[in-house]
Amino acid sequence: VQLVESGGGLVKPGRSLRLSCTTSGFTFGDYAMSWFRQAPGKGLEWVGFIRNKAYGGTTEYAASVKGRFTISRDDSKSVAYLQMNSLTTEDTAVYYCTREFDYWGQGTLVTVSS
Amino acid sequence: DIVMTQSPDSLAVSLGERATINCKSSQSVLYNSNKKNYLAWYQQKSGQPPKLLIYWASTRQSGVPDRFSGSESETDFTLTISSLQAEDVAVYYCQQYYSTPWTFGQGTKVEIK
Repeated sequence: VQLVESGGGLVKPGRSLRLSCTTSGFTFGDYAMSWFRQAPGKGLEWVGFIRNKAYGGTTEYAASVKGRFTISRDDSKSVAYLQMNSLTTEDTAVYYCTREFDYWGQGTLVTVSS
Repeated sequence: DIVMTQSPDSLAVSLGERATINCKSSQSVLYNSNKKNYLAWYQQKSGQPPKLLIYWASTRQSGVPDRFSGSESETDFTLTISSLQAEDVAVYYCQQYYSTPWTFGQGTKVEIK
């Protein structure tokens, strides 16, 4: 099982960024995919998840990102996405993609700063 | 939201000794239909992503050494490292996945005395 996040970087407040999570080693369509984040020096925070198609492919989000972030998936490519809009400095963190919550990627750093 | 509270915030244990970390949930995370507590424990070493150690409060993830064990009593959960090894230095987190938002404890830092 491998998960590799990409798309992080430095972005100005108010701008958007899309993270990708490219996976291999398991049947992607059978699993929900989650995103977590960790601000520098802080603890872990759940961002949200997307269920697999068998459970409707529906999404759930943390209150802190609801309405600004969108999780999607492309089962044909085994990739999950995190679209982040209206970014603020509070969104600065390492973002982790996970298979449900058992396997984690290495993370990608998102820095929101002017 | 379910609040997860860990104790202590940090502890220092001698090599080969037992380390015990506690986690309390503000409400039950027991799903009555399967009688399972929706509680996980993670280990995060410096500069690395978290690693799942325990799920369903007491089920060890594949490949996790058997010196790690989880126990449960209503809303109180414990992670025990029976014989601390140098490679166990890390921050440990509990997390409930019973209801959204999934929430974590604040973390417990384990060091060698």
